[in-house]
Amino acid sequence: DVQLVESGGGLVQPGGSLRLSCAASGFSLSTYRMNWVRQAPGRGLEWVSYIGTSSSAAYYADSVKGRFTISRDAAKNSLYLQMNSLRVDDTAIYFCARVGPQLWLPPNDLWGQGTLVSVSS
Amino acid sequence: DIQMTQSPSTLSASVGDRVSITCRASQSVTTWLAWYQQKPGKAPKLLIYKASTLERGVPSRFSGNGSGTEFTLTVDSLQPDDFATYYCQEYNNFSTWTFGQGTRVEIK
Repeated sequence: DVQLVESGGGLVQPGGSLRLSCAASGFSLSTYRMNWVRQAPGRGLEWVSYIGTSSSAAYYADSVKGRFTISRDAAKNSLYLQMNSLRVDDTAIYFCARVGPQLWLPPNDLWGQGTLVSVSS
Repeated sequence: DIQMTQSPSTLSASVGDRVSITCRASQSVTTWLAWYQQKPGKAPKLLIYKASTLERGVPSRFSGNGSGTEFTLTVDSLQPDDFATYYCQEYNNFSTWTFGQGTRVEIK
């Protein structure tokens, strides 16, 4: 089956760190661009970060810039989001999503089920 | 940064209705605009990309149009499975991927 599976979420105190993983199966993640998107409880979708196929292109929402780092590991067919200096307002479900490698291909056509990050003291 | 504004925030409709949702961008995104459907507790589902291209497997009652700063998602003959929240998203330069705030389509 072609799918994405996130893991690594949990409860963390403000100022703490977490590393989220997104494991791909049924396709080679290294040939796709990828996004992280989050959704706070009862709120809308918020784009978090993007990484290109070569990893040289990485972009972040202003709300996480300087605190979060996106990366990928071709050998493990996985995507990661290192989250440092976590704040209460980072509490959300975090989704990874696949973006077609060429511009004309669909963006975010495959999503994981999400992993919940709760930041609370 | 580009801001995306959807209207209405909530839409009440009946099965069989034709409904439209508008998405406005604060600056031109040409046709780099996608629409998603999300149901409670589920991941979003891509419906439309490049403003008007229907994703594979999405029913033809969904359609998108527009360019520049104004876009519309239309659902012809609303079905029970279509009651959900809909989001637009711009991906104009691929360094930001801004979502609209969402439109909840509820049963009248």
